[in-house]
Amino acid sequence: GQQVQQSPASLVLQEGENAELQCNFSTSLNSMQWFYQRPEGSLVSLFYNPSGTKQSGRLTSTTVIKERRSSLHISSSQITDSGTYLCAIQNFYFGKGTSLTVIP
Amino acid sequence: EAAVTQSPRNKVTVTGGNVTLSCRQTNSHNYMYWYRQDTGHGLRLIHYSYGAGNLQIGDVPDGYKATRTTQEDFFLLLELASPSQTSLYFCASSEGQGGTERLFFGHGTKLSVL
Repeated sequence: GQQVQQSPASLVLQEGENAELQCNFSTSLNSMQWFYQRPEGSLVSLFYNPSGTKQSGRLTSTTVIKERRSSLHISSSQITDSGTYLCAIQNFYFGKGTSLTVIP
Repeated sequence: EAAVTQSPRNKVTVTGGNVTLSCRQTNSHNYMYWYRQDTGHGLRLIHYSYGAGNLQIGDVPDGYKATRTTQEDFFLLLELASPSQTSLYFCASSEGQGGTERLFFGHGTKLSVL
């Protein structure tokens, strides 16, 4: 079965709005990562966050192992944030991603 | 930042053809991975390795072979390519044990099997 579920599948924001992306997993883990996939396909590592909260600029990742979930919060969204956001557990299982479009 | 280089960036072949995708990482990471990405499926693990000469199967290994010749080099082989193997292929590496450390990705190889 699907080990990693991401929601929402797609999201449209107006520039300046905040977003909360969710990643739920069905197995215990000791490795959780978030990636950004540019529209042209390349992957950028955002967070390696197996537990707790980490922040980088406008991005915040929170992983709660007991609840088997991780979230990615994007504040004050910008047009350049558009793309696909992927989560992965154990380096083996990826979610299908959240496609984010930020419009002016 | 760890560097992972894939080649070629694009490849077109015919059904039944042989294809080799190459991956090199320059930070002597223990683990290397091959994934494929298809619309509606996200990234799926094909094979991975935790050192030269080692090979482990992933979730979608059928139709693929892989070989880790050195700490740096990991190859994915399609010996009888089929149209179902048209996909975007990513190589990645990580250090540490159990494949639990941060992943570093190559830029991807777009493969089309006609």
